[in-house]
Amino acid sequence: QKEVEQDPGPLSVPEGAIVSLNCTYSNSAFQYFMWYRQYSRKGPELLMYTYSSGNKEDGRFTAQVDKSSKYISLFIRDSQPSDSATYLCARNAGGTSYGKLTFGQGTILTVHP
Amino acid sequence: GAVVSQHPSWVICKSGTSVKIECRSLDFQATTMFWYRQFPKQSLMLMATSNEGSKATYEQGVEKDKFLINHASLTLSTLTVTSAHPEDSSFYICSANDRVRAEAFFGQGTRLTVV
Repeated sequence: QKEVEQDPGPLSVPEGAIVSLNCTYSNSAFQYFMWYRQYSRKGPELLMYTYSSGNKEDGRFTAQVDKSSKYISLFIRDSQPSDSATYLCARNAGGTSYGKLTFGQGTILTVHP
Repeated sequence: GAVVSQHPSWVICKSGTSVKIECRSLDFQATTMFWYRQFPKQSLMLMATSNEGSKATYEQGVEKDKFLINHASLTLSTLTVTSAHPEDSSFYICSANDRVRAEAFFGQGTRLTVV
């Protein structure tokens, strides 16, 4: 079983739709979770990170962690064509090793006008 | 925001030759950097952890003699793919730990094609 599992999609939605991206993880000791966005042939950029269960909101993005079910989600409201990218969930090793990441497979999202 | 510069952005080399990829943190010092590899339509896989002034730590299955890592300064880590073969063709991405901001920042990646 992979440490972090993510449905690769692809996912195609119309502009303005609410997008839901999901990952599951296997190790309940994981504490830090991140969502990255990666445009084609570019390095990933951090969208949000969460530490504990619950919701975290930043503009149109909401990250959610449910530790009881080992489930993490990213919601995008009012999706835009510029949101078209690959979205990667990740967990890190904790402590000062926040850059040592295990990624999910990534979900390819296309938002069409 | 913090910037991590990776160079070159793409490179084509002949089979059997070596290629060096540089990763620089431009506005912060990074005692730790990470090297990832990403094959088409797959996720990023951690190859190694690069520590300034000491030997790199490689993930299981990554050949340390093939992927040489040097982290000689607080702002520069290099990855050298030695005796490259077509199966080494991939997208290589570095990230650098910024301890002040408690965040890792990624470079723009290097697309390596071995012919």
